[in-house]
Amino acid sequence: GDSVTQMEGPVTLSEEAFLTINCTYTATGYPSLFWYVQYPGEGLQLLLKATKADDKGSNKGFEATYRKETTSFHLEKGSVQVSDSAVYFCALRGLTNAGGTSYGKLTFGQGTILTVHP
Amino acid sequence: ETGVTQTPRHLVMGMTNKKSLKCEQHLGHNAMYWYKQSAKKPLELMFVYSLEERVENNSVPSRFSPECPNSSHLFLHLHTLQPEDSALYLCASSPVSGSNTGELFFGEGSRLTVL
Repeated sequence: GDSVTQMEGPVTLSEEAFLTINCTYTATGYPSLFWYVQYPGEGLQLLLKATKADDKGSNKGFEATYRKETTSFHLEKGSVQVSDSAVYFCALRGLTNAGGTSYGKLTFGQGTILTVHP
Repeated sequence: ETGVTQTPRHLVMGMTNKKSLKCEQHLGHNAMYWYKQSAKKPLELMFVYSLEERVENNSVPSRFSPECPNSSHLFLHLHTLQPEDSALYLCASSPVSGSNTGELFFGEGSRLTVL
């Protein structure tokens, strides 16, 4: 079945440091890939996504490139801020057929806690 | 504001209680999901409803009972829970389509504590 493996955390950085959170996946077919972020006390918010090989998703200074050859979708940011402190989840969405309809369910990695200090 | 609202945000219950979690979406979606988020574990998909039909039930104990009366509402009925069921329960929604390129929209979650 589908699976996502994320870099173990927690990650602690100083403000303006470079961030990389590794993510690799196993899936059949052509999944879409996502990064979600969860700020303290909140639900999950979409950070960025890529729907096919070599696509680059970007948002709020974060980037990730869909690498089919290495089955990876690593998250990067050149200069982190204190406000980026949160839990980051890598996820893939395959396509499932059941009950006569198609729907896409998300499979998540275990999450990486990021703490940024001033 | 994601358009998915969950109530209550916090719930404390004893093992013999019966309670329900509610999720409502205002996005016109036709698929709804329950996920369980426990400490130090990946998010676990519990149930999926597509066009108001349950299409996935991931070996969830029968003490969790979902209900989807219409495409905008999803409930999770809870009874005789165990302390290990304490977790954040997240509801999500998405359009039903033949594509997997769209994202799921999540509510803020219901934090459940079982005493």
